[in-house]
Amino acid sequence: EPEVTQTPSHQVTQMGQEVILRCVPISNHLYFYWYRQILGQKVEFLVSFYNNEISEKSEIFDDQFSVERPDGSNFTLKIRSTKLEDSAMYFCASSARGETQYFGPGTRLLVL
Amino acid sequence: AQSVTQPDIHITVSEGASLELRCNYSYGATPYLFWYVQSPGQGLQLLLKYFSGDTLVQGIKGFEAEFKRSQSSFNLRKPSVHWSDAAEYFCAVVLSGGYQKVTFGTGTKLQVIP
Repeated sequence: EPEVTQTPSHQVTQMGQEVILRCVPISNHLYFYWYRQILGQKVEFLVSFYNNEISEKSEIFDDQFSVERPDGSNFTLKIRSTKLEDSAMYFCASSARGETQYFGPGTRLLVL
Repeated sequence: AQSVTQPDIHITVSEGASLELRCNYSYGATPYLFWYVQSPGQGLQLLLKYFSGDTLVQGIKGFEAEFKRSQSSFNLRKPSVHWSDAAEYFCAVVLSGGYQKVTFGTGTKLQVIP
């Protein structure tokens, strides 16, 4: 069964550093998403991406964040200058037609 | 305001007992409804979904959920819980029409005791 994959599974970085989280959505899916889950809190929407552009973003997704689909298979989330409060589990999701989203295993980001 | 509510933060059940996890939503129209499960250190796995039609939906791992429009509820049930069901369960909604963001409830952590 096709799955969404994410790399790395864990990332530790210093405050102020740039990080890139990578996702390989399910092939033939057209809608892509990033969510995050701060420890002990609920899963929050960050951004959705369709047809090579952002279709919706939350207030969390400020100028420090960007997304890209650099080729036909990868979908990345970049955080330009990480802050302590960016420490969280980041989930990528994809959807074929936009109604059912399938989530990856997540990347646990720790900012020191 | 639009919201998804899971009133139970923690639930403990004995192995073999039945389970019901509650979920209520507050939206102008009936959204698409989902239950996801997150095992410790794992990602979010889709258990089941409801878009329309039969209000009792079957999912994986022996779970089912019932949509009740009059109560704006979508409760998850399982007749006999197994120790491997210990996890966190999230009710979630997507506004009808698709391609929208998923809005999650706060989750219910299930503990299963022998």
